[in-house]
Amino acid sequence: DAKTTQPPSMDCAEGRAANLPCNHSTISGNEYVYWYRQIHSQGPQYIIHGLKNNETNEMASLIITEDRKSSTLILPHATLRDTAVYYCIASHYGQNFVFGPGTRLSVLP
Amino acid sequence: GAVVSQHPSWVICKSGTSVKIECRSLDFQATTMFWYRQFPKQSLMLMATSNEGSKATYEQGVEKDKFLINHASLTLSTLTVTSAHPEDSSFYICSARRQRGSYEQYFGPGTRLTVT
Repeated sequence: DAKTTQPPSMDCAEGRAANLPCNHSTISGNEYVYWYRQIHSQGPQYIIHGLKNNETNEMASLIITEDRKSSTLILPHATLRDTAVYYCIASHYGQNFVFGPGTRLSVLP
Repeated sequence: GAVVSQHPSWVICKSGTSVKIECRSLDFQATTMFWYRQFPKQSLMLMATSNEGSKATYEQGVEKDKFLINHASLTLSTLTVTSAHPEDSSFYICSARRQRGSYEQYFGPGTRLTVT
């Protein structure tokens, strides 16, 4: 499965959009991009996933570049409860998840 | 989203004893479940893949005789830490994978194990 790289930390003002980037330059054609977040001492929470097209759900939007080498998770109106570590994972059919260090997002009041 | 539960949420045991952790998918059937371990200030590390009705597949460096995994039904997998030692103290998290669609994993809330 492809390795992903993310910035170690980001800050975002409450009420603003949080844009979290992820590079997955070695992703293969049938690997999905999955996003999860983990709030301290809890299990990761599923956010969204995609293959080629942009996706949106009630939590977030996922923008995948045309060459699929990178993606951006967008939280449209960040709240304090969105403070967490965000993980981007590339995987064939949800197998063999490799969690990197992720991005620690701090939403500031 | 789908719901995965774990029991217990925390456990303290003495060195040399065994501890069993249960993982249940409450609203969908999962032929595949996964077990992860997370040490403080580190990311999750996959320990093993559990397939219903067959033997688990362990990641390199994980002792299969120490971490016994049973996946006897489509909604239940168990992890037994045998002869626990203080270095086994960690946060253990399971996940269940959807069988259809894009196969996302849903994670349990985790079990904090402390071995004294």
